[in-house]
This record gives sequence, C-alpha cells and structure tokens, in this order.
Amino acid sequence: GAVVSQHPSRVICKSGTSVKIECRSLDFQATTMFWYRQFPKQSLMLMATSNEGSKATYEQGVEKDKFLINHASLTLSTLTVTSAHPEDSSFYICSARENPWTPQVSGNTIYFGEGSWLTVV
Amino acid sequence: TQLLEQSPQFLSIQEGENLTVYCNSSSVFSSLQWYRQEPGEGPVLLVTVVTGGEVKKLKRLTFQFGDARKDSSLHITAAQPGDTGLYLCAGVGRVNKFYFGSGTKLNVKP
Repeated sequence: GAVVSQHPSRVICKSGTSVKIECRSLDFQATTMFWYRQFPKQSLMLMATSNEGSKATYEQGVEKDKFLINHASLTLSTLTVTSAHPEDSSFYICSARENPWTPQVSGNTIYFGEGSWLTVV
Repeated sequence: TQLLEQSPQFLSIQEGENLTVYCNSSSVFSSLQWYRQEPGEGPVLLVTVVTGGEVKKLKRLTFQFGDARKDSSLHITAAQPGDTGLYLCAGVGRVNKFYFGSGTKLNVKP
C-alpha cells in the first residue's frame, strides 16, 4: 500500500539553530502534502498546505518565515523550523494524498507519515 | 477556533460500557473521516463516510454521517481496553484543505 516516510523521527537541536524535516511519498505521487503540529494530548493542527511547484499556503497564525516549506518534487516536501526555540518543541506530522484527489470517493484516502518529535533545548 | 469540534474532549469508562463521540461543524463536508491515534504515532484511518445519513459499521464501531453532512458520530459498543486512544474526525474543508477535529481522548479501564 501507499507509504509516506518522514525523517527524522526524533531530533534534538539547540535553541537558535534550524532543523529540517522531510516527508516522502514512497510509491505514489503527491501534488499536495499537509503539515501538522501536535501538542501532547491535543489534536493535529494544520500548519500549512504544501503544493508541488508553488508556494505553500499557511494557516492563520503560522509564521511562514519561521516554518519554511518546500515541495520541490511530487514525492518530497520539507519543513524547516528556523531559529528554533523551546516553544517549537512538538510532534510534527506530514500527510500526502494521491493524485487525482477525489474527496467524495469513499476509498480515497490520505496517507500519514510516522511523525517527527522535535525537542529544542 | 476548530473547524470541527468534537465532544466529549475526554472520556474515561469501564470495559464493557458503550460510548458515543460527536463531531460537529457549521460547514458542509463532502466526506468525513475518523481516525484513531496512539501516542507518538501517525493517525490510522478507521472509516470514511460520504453520503448524508450514511451509517457504517466496523465490528463494534458504528459511524454515522449527518443528513446535512455537517456532523458525524462514532459509537462504540462494549468498549475494550484496546479501544483506548485519541479519536479524531477529519474532513476536507474549503480549498481542499484537510482539517482535523479537536479530538476525543478515550480511556477504557479493565
């Protein structure tokens, strides 16, 4: 079945540095990928929608200069947390949907990465 | 503000009890999905409901999509400790963005 791989699964970085998280669709093409952030015991909050070959669309309240998203190919999107601070520590998850996307179709689905734990010290 | 609001937020019950989780929105969705998530892992798809009024059953889980396609419910019969987890509804909102509900943390005690 379709698989989305996220890397790294865990990363610890120093405050002020930048860290990159990769999201790859392994056996399908994904025009659109989504990036979520999740705090403990809370739901997934959509940060941005990543579109291949164009700029990402950020949700209200998400700083686009801090959370850089690049979707250079149909199988890879990256999230770079720049000048990370301890409050950026969180669980980040990406998801990808196959092309073509038909949300009305019952069997159509979105595939999720395994998630990345970011700890900023 | 969540596009999809779930209730209750937390639920702790004894094994064997029944429960219902609600997912409500003021927006109409072309489809809604329910997921279950374990700590530190990605969410796992349980079901997709597409048609207003649709009811789907998955063993002890019953999912219903509201007639107006603005709300959905998840009913679990005879809950088991293995049902413990975070339950999330999700749907495609405007401009094809995929949003999650606020989540329901279920704990089933043996």
